[in-house]
Amino acid sequence: DAGVIQSPRHEVTEMGQEVTLRCKPISGHNSLFWYRQTMMRGLELLIYFNNNVPIDDSGMPEDRFSAKMPNASFSTLKIQPSEPRDSAVYFCASSGDRVIGQFFGPGTRLTVL
Amino acid sequence: AQSVTQLDSHVSVSEGTPVLLRCNYSSSYSPSLFWYVQHPNKGLQLLLKYTSAATLVKGINGFEAEFKKSETSFHLTKPSAHMSDAAEYFCVVSPRHNKFYFGSGTKLNVKP
Repeated sequence: DAGVIQSPRHEVTEMGQEVTLRCKPISGHNSLFWYRQTMMRGLELLIYFNNNVPIDDSGMPEDRFSAKMPNASFSTLKIQPSEPRDSAVYFCASSGDRVIGQFFGPGTRLTVL
Repeated sequence: AQSVTQLDSHVSVSEGTPVLLRCNYSSSYSPSLFWYVQHPNKGLQLLLKYTSAATLVKGINGFEAEFKKSETSFHLTKPSAHMSDAAEYFCVVSPRHNKFYFGSGTKLNVKP
């Protein structure tokens, strides 16, 4: 089992640029979560999908953030345009109907200059 | 209402001494409870979980936690700390499927 896969692991970009983070959940899991972690705010849930459908996006900070899950094995989190305050570690996690708990990916460390 | 309180933001122990990381929760339901560990610059790893079976749950790396409903607690313990246990630990309550509430985390420092 490869676990949850995230790419890239590190991203450095300049303010105003578009950033796309990618996630591949564990095979067979049908729920996917995007989190953001910062020193100031800790771990925050941004959005979660169930069966590829966004169920709760109340944590998405603003319209600059968007997330998609076109199929059961892939999700993206896009920030456009990026701002320095978006600098954080973004985690993807997956779970399933017969799974209790979440399994986290290694995260993407985003730095916006 | 659901919430998780990790009573200590930082805990420091000496290597070889016991570890106690405290977690209290409130939940309107009979929740599942979890402890995750995050080593520096790493993702969150599941240590152990409680799902209404045995109240004493054993996890990886010698950690265990006891669910005490009367005290609404789920404290994490380990008899003897190792240097490699230095990390941040998160208590999580899940009142129902796919709903997770994270505590603010406890940073464990292990002194040689």
